[in-house]
Amino acid sequence: KQEVTQIPAALSVPEGENLVLNCSFTDSAIYNLQWFRQDPGKGLTSLLLIQSSQREQTSGRLNASLDKSSGRSTLYIAASQPGDSATYLCAVPRYSGAGSYQLTFGKGTKLSVIP
Amino acid sequence: NAGVTQTPKFRVLKTGQSMTLLCAQDMNHEYMYWYRQDPGMGLRLIHYSVGEGTTAKGEVPDGYNVSRLKKQNFLLGLESAAPSQTSVYFCASSLGGSSYNEQFFGPGTRLTVL
Repeated sequence: KQEVTQIPAALSVPEGENLVLNCSFTDSAIYNLQWFRQDPGKGLTSLLLIQSSQREQTSGRLNASLDKSSGRSTLYIAASQPGDSATYLCAVPRYSGAGSYQLTFGKGTKLSVIP
Repeated sequence: NAGVTQTPKFRVLKTGQSMTLLCAQDMNHEYMYWYRQDPGMGLRLIHYSVGEGTTAKGEVPDGYNVSRLKKQNFLLGLESAAPSQTSVYFCASSLGGSSYNEQFFGPGTRLTVL
């Protein structure tokens, strides 16, 4: 059974700092890995989807890397801003039957960027 | 283009009451999902649908029923609510069922069962 772990559960950094969020998974036979952002009381916003054949994916100040062999992904946020404060979740799909894939989520890292 | 919308946003029920949560998407997606999010447990899949008229069980289906009568709508029903069903419910949709298809989420419904 696939398990997804995110450490640390919470992280506080001063504004302007570069930071790395970690995601690990137990079954390296993944198809892709998706990073989400969740603001308090809100839904999930997809940030980056990195395919198993890719090593990196970039969007603005965000960069996601994937190392299947070691079962790890990192989300790098450059020059952090208070607006980046949110919970960041990673998820991997696993086959759930009937031609469908369900996402297995980590429990998230709650990021606070202090002005 | 509203994406994925959910109704209602908040609801308080008493034990034993029933209710239906509505999810709607305007992206012409084939696949739709219902998740619940609980502190310390993360998001878990309740039921999903691979197309109009189809439904299937996810990881935690007990106590819930679903229907997909129209492609754009996915309903989640609680026939007899229990305090253990207090949670935040998220609906999601994807264009297809491939592992490469990105899932898009709604804003959530916060349900409290007293």
